[in-house]
Amino acid sequence: DAKTTQPTSMDCAEGRAANLPCNHSTISGNEYVYWYRQIHSQGPQYIIHGLKNNETNEMASLIITEDRKSSTLILPHATLRDTAVYYCIVRVISGGGADGLTFGKGTHLIIQP
Amino acid sequence: NAGVTQTPKFQVLKTGQSMTLQCAQDMNHEYMSWYRQDPGMGLRLIHYSVGAGITDQGEVPNGYNVSRSTTEDFPLRLLSAAPSQTSVYFCASSFLMGLRIVEQYFGPGTRLTVT
Repeated sequence: DAKTTQPTSMDCAEGRAANLPCNHSTISGNEYVYWYRQIHSQGPQYIIHGLKNNETNEMASLIITEDRKSSTLILPHATLRDTAVYYCIVRVISGGGADGLTFGKGTHLIIQP
Repeated sequence: NAGVTQTPKFQVLKTGQSMTLQCAQDMNHEYMSWYRQDPGMGLRLIHYSVGAGITDQGEVPNGYNVSRSTTEDFPLRLLSAAPSQTSVYFCASSFLMGLRIVEQYFGPGTRLTVT
């Protein structure tokens, strides 16, 4: 799986859009980008995933650059409940088995009131 | 729909003891997995299963066994607990689209301390 690089921590004001960057410069053509978050002491929560097109769901938007070497997760109107560690993961979809996701240290997003 | 449930929530073991962490899901997911999370770290995959009767090792399998006799249950057994196994353990499940794990649902975790 491609390695990802994320900032250790970020702040965002409540009500503003939170933009979380992820660098995955060694990503290959068959690797998806996944985002999960983990609110303190809870199990991780799936947010969104994509291959090369931008994706949007009720929680967030995922913007992937044309060369796929980086992506940005956008929380459009951050609330205090969005304070969490956000993990960017890239994952091969083909191969010998389903395997699992590799979680790095993620970005600690702090929403300020 | 309870999702993914884990028991117990907390456990303290002495070195050398064995125990089983329970995990169950009611979403008919083919894929189930166990992760451990040490303080300040990301999650590391211990074992996973793509269906009843099929299990495989993840990144850190030593000291743990699993079995998958039903679709719903995926217990994790600690054979002889060691202080290095003090951690928070998360179970997760997902549908598979081909070989692709689509969206993993995680349980609330079991906090294990080995003294």
